[in-house]
Amino acid sequence: DAKTTQPPSMDCAEGRAANLPCNHSTISGNEYVYWYRQIHSQGPQYIIHGLKNNETNEMASLIITEDRKSSTLILPHATLRDTAVYYCMLYSGGGADGLTFGKGTHLIIQP
Amino acid sequence: DAGVIQSPRHEVTEMGQEVTLRCKPISGHNSLFWYRQTMMRGLELLIYFNNNVPIDDSGMPEDRFSAKMPNASFSTLKIQPSEPRDSAVYFCASSLRQGAVGNQPQHFGDGTRLSIL
Repeated sequence: DAKTTQPPSMDCAEGRAANLPCNHSTISGNEYVYWYRQIHSQGPQYIIHGLKNNETNEMASLIITEDRKSSTLILPHATLRDTAVYYCMLYSGGGADGLTFGKGTHLIIQP
Repeated sequence: DAGVIQSPRHEVTEMGQEVTLRCKPISGHNSLFWYRQTMMRGLELLIYFNNNVPIDDSGMPEDRFSAKMPNASFSTLKIQPSEPRDSAVYFCASSLRQGAVGNQPQHFGDGTRLSIL
Protein backbone atom coordinates (compact mmCIF):
# COMPACT_ATOMS: atom_id res chain seq x y z
CA ASP A 1 0.00 0.00 0.00
CA ALA A 2 1.11 3.54 -0.71
CA LYS A 3 2.43 5.41 2.31
CA THR A 4 1.22 8.76 1.05
CA THR A 5 -2.18 10.45 0.96
CA GLN A 6 -3.19 12.94 -1.72
CA PRO A 7 -6.48 14.62 -2.64
CA PRO A 8 -8.03 12.85 -5.63
CA SER A 9 -8.48 16.01 -7.69
CA MET A 10 -7.75 19.73 -7.78
CA ASP A 11 -8.46 22.65 -10.08
CA CYS A 12 -6.20 25.61 -10.73
CA ALA A 13 -6.53 28.62 -13.01
CA GLU A 14 -4.03 28.96 -15.81
CA GLY A 15 -1.18 31.28 -14.87
CA ARG A 16 -1.68 30.80 -11.14
CA ALA A 17 0.48 28.72 -8.84
CA ALA A 18 -0.71 25.15 -8.34
CA ASN A 19 -0.03 23.81 -4.86
CA LEU A 20 -0.40 20.05 -4.53
CA PRO A 21 -0.33 18.61 -1.00
CA CYS A 22 0.88 15.19 0.12
CA ASN A 23 0.67 13.65 3.58
CA HIS A 24 3.26 11.08 4.64
CA SER A 25 2.95 10.92 8.41
CA THR A 26 4.80 7.59 8.74
CA ILE A 27 7.85 8.65 6.72
CA SER A 28 11.17 7.14 7.83
CA GLY A 29 14.33 9.15 8.30
CA ASN A 30 16.01 7.86 5.17
CA GLU A 31 13.03 8.10 2.82
CA TYR A 32 13.10 10.66 0.03
CA VAL A 33 9.91 12.35 -1.13
CA TYR A 34 9.46 12.00 -4.88
CA TRP A 35 6.98 13.62 -7.23
CA TYR A 36 6.06 12.29 -10.67
CA ARG A 37 3.29 13.22 -13.04
CA GLN A 38 1.50 11.30 -15.76
CA ILE A 39 -0.12 12.97 -18.71
CA HIS A 40 -2.79 10.86 -20.38
CA SER A 41 -1.39 7.89 -22.31
CA GLN A 42 2.24 8.74 -21.50
CA GLY A 43 4.67 7.23 -19.02
CA PRO A 44 5.14 8.89 -15.61
CA GLN A 45 7.53 11.83 -15.73
CA TYR A 46 9.94 12.61 -12.91
CA ILE A 47 9.47 16.12 -11.48
CA ILE A 48 11.51 16.58 -8.31
CA HIS A 49 12.61 14.89 -5.09
CA GLY A 50 13.99 15.87 -1.69
CA LEU A 51 14.94 14.54 1.71
CA LYS A 52 14.69 17.38 4.22
CA ASN A 53 15.41 20.66 2.53
CA ASN A 54 13.18 22.49 0.11
CA GLU A 55 14.14 21.91 -3.50
CA THR A 56 13.60 23.82 -6.73
CA ASN A 57 14.27 22.97 -10.34
CA GLU A 58 13.11 24.20 -13.72
CA MET A 59 9.78 22.42 -13.38
CA ALA A 60 8.68 22.94 -9.80
CA SER A 61 9.44 23.59 -6.15
CA LEU A 62 9.14 21.08 -3.33
CA ILE A 63 8.39 22.25 0.18
CA ILE A 64 8.86 19.66 2.94
CA THR A 65 7.66 20.47 6.44
CA GLU A 66 10.18 20.46 9.25
CA ASP A 67 8.75 17.26 10.74
CA ARG A 68 8.72 15.75 7.21
CA LYS A 69 5.19 14.47 7.65
CA SER A 70 3.87 16.38 4.69
CA SER A 71 5.04 18.14 1.56
CA THR A 72 3.74 20.45 -1.15
CA LEU A 73 4.62 20.49 -4.82
CA ILE A 74 4.37 23.96 -6.33
CA LEU A 75 4.00 24.64 -10.04
CA PRO A 76 4.63 28.39 -10.04
CA HIS A 77 2.77 29.39 -13.21
CA ALA A 78 0.47 26.57 -14.27
CA THR A 79 -0.30 26.08 -17.95
CA LEU A 80 -2.88 23.90 -19.67
CA ARG A 81 -0.12 21.40 -20.39
CA ASP A 82 0.31 20.83 -16.65
CA THR A 83 -3.04 19.02 -16.54
CA ALA A 84 -2.05 15.53 -15.39
CA VAL A 85 -2.15 13.05 -12.51
CA TYR A 86 0.51 13.93 -9.94
CA TYR A 87 1.97 11.18 -7.76
CA CYS A 88 3.78 11.66 -4.46
CA MET A 89 5.81 8.67 -3.28
CA LEU A 90 8.49 7.78 -0.75
CA TYR A 91 11.65 5.82 -1.44
CA SER A 92 14.71 4.96 0.60
CA GLY A 93 16.61 2.80 -1.88
CA GLY A 94 18.10 -0.66 -1.44
CA GLY A 95 15.16 -2.63 -2.75
CA ALA A 96 11.63 -2.49 -4.06
CA ASP A 97 10.07 -1.49 -0.76
CA GLY A 98 8.37 1.83 -1.20
CA LEU A 99 8.24 1.74 -4.96
CA THR A 100 4.49 2.10 -4.71
CA PHE A 101 2.49 4.71 -6.54
CA GLY A 102 -0.81 5.67 -4.92
CA LYS A 103 -3.81 7.04 -6.78
CA GLY A 104 -2.34 10.53 -7.11
CA THR A 105 -4.03 13.90 -7.61
CA HIS A 106 -5.71 14.71 -10.90
CA LEU A 107 -4.79 18.36 -11.44
CA ILE A 108 -6.95 20.18 -13.95
CA ILE A 109 -5.75 23.56 -15.17
CA GLN A 110 -8.67 25.74 -16.17
CA PRO A 111 -8.27 28.34 -18.97
CA ASP B 1 19.31 12.19 -25.29
CA ALA B 2 17.28 9.07 -25.94
CA GLY B 3 14.96 8.13 -23.14
CA VAL B 4 13.72 4.68 -22.20
CA ILE B 5 12.52 2.95 -25.36
CA GLN B 6 9.76 0.37 -25.26
CA SER B 7 8.39 -1.79 -28.03
CA PRO B 8 5.86 -2.45 -29.30
CA ARG B 9 3.73 0.56 -28.38
CA HIS B 10 0.56 -1.44 -28.89
CA GLU B 11 -0.05 -5.19 -28.94
CA VAL B 12 -3.31 -6.96 -29.56
CA THR B 13 -3.35 -10.74 -29.43
CA GLU B 14 -5.59 -13.66 -28.60
CA MET B 15 -5.57 -15.39 -25.26
CA GLY B 16 -3.14 -18.26 -24.99
CA GLN B 17 -0.55 -16.60 -27.19
CA GLU B 18 2.92 -15.69 -25.97
CA VAL B 19 3.58 -11.97 -25.58
CA THR B 20 7.04 -10.40 -25.37
CA LEU B 21 7.52 -6.79 -24.37
CA ARG B 22 10.88 -5.11 -24.86
CA CYS B 23 12.74 -2.32 -23.14
CA LYS B 24 15.95 -0.43 -23.80
CA PRO B 25 17.00 1.58 -20.74
CA ILE B 26 18.82 4.89 -20.80
CA SER B 27 22.51 4.36 -21.52
CA GLY B 28 24.51 4.31 -18.29
CA HIS B 29 21.54 3.43 -16.11
CA ASN B 30 21.98 0.19 -14.25
CA SER B 31 18.64 -0.23 -12.49
CA LEU B 32 15.59 -1.30 -14.46
CA PHE B 33 11.96 -1.62 -13.41
CA TRP B 34 8.86 -3.15 -14.99
CA TYR B 35 5.45 -1.77 -13.95
CA ARG B 36 1.88 -2.59 -14.93
CA GLN B 37 -0.94 -0.03 -14.91
CA THR B 38 -4.67 -0.73 -14.89
CA MET B 39 -7.65 1.38 -13.95
CA MET B 40 -8.47 -0.90 -11.05
CA ARG B 41 -5.03 -1.36 -9.47
CA GLY B 42 -3.13 1.71 -10.65
CA LEU B 43 0.63 1.50 -11.20
CA GLU B 44 2.17 -1.67 -9.75
CA LEU B 45 5.84 -2.67 -9.66
CA LEU B 46 6.37 -6.13 -11.16
CA ILE B 47 10.13 -6.64 -10.99
CA TYR B 48 13.31 -4.65 -10.44
CA PHE B 49 16.87 -5.33 -11.69
CA ASN B 50 20.22 -3.95 -10.51
CA ASN B 51 23.18 -4.53 -12.84
CA ASN B 52 21.12 -7.03 -14.86
CA VAL B 53 20.33 -9.14 -11.77
CA PRO B 54 16.71 -9.44 -10.56
CA ILE B 55 16.54 -7.96 -7.08
CA ASP B 56 12.84 -8.18 -6.28
CA ASP B 57 10.23 -10.04 -8.32
CA SER B 58 7.59 -10.20 -5.63
CA GLY B 59 5.23 -8.16 -7.79
CA MET B 60 5.19 -10.66 -10.64
CA PRO B 61 1.60 -11.91 -10.57
CA GLU B 62 2.17 -15.56 -11.41
CA ASP B 63 4.40 -18.05 -13.18
CA ARG B 64 3.04 -17.05 -16.54
CA PHE B 65 5.10 -13.87 -16.22
CA SER B 66 8.88 -13.86 -16.62
CA ALA B 67 11.46 -11.12 -17.10
CA LYS B 68 15.04 -11.19 -18.24
CA MET B 69 17.85 -8.73 -18.61
CA PRO B 70 20.59 -10.39 -20.68
CA ASN B 71 22.69 -7.22 -20.83
CA ALA B 72 22.72 -3.64 -19.64
CA SER B 73 20.89 -2.33 -22.66
CA PHE B 74 17.98 -4.71 -23.05
CA SER B 75 15.22 -6.33 -21.04
CA THR B 76 12.15 -8.40 -21.87
CA LEU B 77 8.92 -9.14 -20.07
CA LYS B 78 7.21 -12.27 -21.30
CA ILE B 79 3.69 -13.56 -20.67
CA GLN B 80 3.00 -17.16 -21.62
CA PRO B 81 0.20 -18.06 -21.98
CA SER B 82 -1.54 -14.69 -22.03
CA GLU B 83 -5.02 -14.15 -20.56
CA PRO B 84 -7.57 -11.32 -20.97
CA ARG B 85 -6.90 -10.14 -17.40
CA ASP B 86 -3.32 -9.35 -18.43
CA SER B 87 -4.63 -6.47 -20.53
CA ALA B 88 -2.94 -3.32 -19.22
CA VAL B 89 -0.30 -0.75 -20.02
CA TYR B 90 3.18 -2.05 -19.18
CA PHE B 91 5.88 0.49 -18.38
CA CYS B 92 9.62 0.10 -18.18
CA ALA B 93 11.73 2.56 -16.19
CA SER B 94 15.44 2.94 -15.57
CA SER B 95 17.65 4.81 -13.15
CA LEU B 96 21.18 5.03 -11.94
CA ARG B 97 21.81 2.27 -9.45
CA GLN B 98 19.44 2.24 -6.52
CA GLY B 99 21.93 1.59 -3.78
CA ALA B 100 21.63 2.14 -0.10
CA VAL B 101 20.44 5.70 -0.67
CA GLY B 102 17.23 6.15 -2.61
CA ASN B 103 18.04 9.38 -4.33
CA GLN B 104 18.04 8.26 -7.95
CA PRO B 105 14.86 9.15 -9.87
CA GLN B 106 13.32 6.72 -12.31
CA HIS B 107 12.80 7.63 -15.94
CA PHE B 108 9.88 5.93 -17.66
CA GLY B 109 9.22 4.85 -21.22
CA ASP B 110 5.91 5.53 -22.93
CA GLY B 111 4.65 2.02 -22.28
CA THR B 112 3.18 -0.87 -24.21
CA ARG B 113 -0.61 -0.99 -24.35
CA LEU B 114 -1.47 -4.70 -24.29
CA SER B 115 -4.89 -6.07 -25.16
CA ILE B 116 -5.59 -9.79 -24.84
CA LEU B 117 -8.78 -10.84 -26.57
